[in-house]
Amino acid sequence: GDSVTQMEGPVTLSEEAFLTINCTYTATGYPSLFWYVQYPGEGLQLLLKATKADDKGSNKGFEATYRKETTSFHLEKGSVQVSDSAVYFCALNNAGNMLTFGGGTRLMVKP
Amino acid sequence: NAGVTQTPKFQVLKTGQSMTLQCAQDMNHNSMYWYRQDPGMGLRLIYYSASEGTTDKGEVPNGYNVSRLNKREFSLRLESAAPSQTSVYFCASSEVRGRGPYGYTFGSGTRLTVV
Repeated sequence: GDSVTQMEGPVTLSEEAFLTINCTYTATGYPSLFWYVQYPGEGLQLLLKATKADDKGSNKGFEATYRKETTSFHLEKGSVQVSDSAVYFCALNNAGNMLTFGGGTRLMVKP
Repeated sequence: NAGVTQTPKFQVLKTGQSMTLQCAQDMNHNSMYWYRQDPGMGLRLIYYSASEGTTDKGEVPNGYNVSRLNKREFSLRLESAAPSQTSVYFCASSEVRGRGPYGYTFGSGTRLTVV
């Protein structure tokens, strides 16, 4: 079946550091890929998405490129802020409307 | 601009008690979902409803029942709560059109503790 694997956290960075959170997937066909963010005490919010190979999703300074050859969708940001501290979930949609989530990666940004 | 509304936000139950978690969405979405999130773990699907009048089991349905009351509302019931059901519960909804990309809209969660 479909699966999503994320790097284990927590990831701890200083403010203005470069962020990469790795995400790889296993799926048949051509899934759509998503990143969700969960701030403390809140539900998940859609951060960005990509629907086909080589698409780049972007939002709020975050980017991720759909790489079919490496089955990856790594999340990047050039300069993180304290307000980016949250849990980030990678997910895919392959058939119908069911999302498969990764285990989540906690990001902690220190001033 | 409500999106997905969950009630209650917090609840403490004694083992064996029952309760219903309510979820309503105002986006005219066809599909609705119930997830649980445990510490250090990702989201696990409990039940989902692809459309009004249908419900299906997800990954961890044991101990739960659901009702898709109408297009807007999807409730989750714990008939006899157990400490293992202590978790944060999230409701989500999405639109179904052709073959996506479909994002989910999540509620803010219900934090349930069973003692």
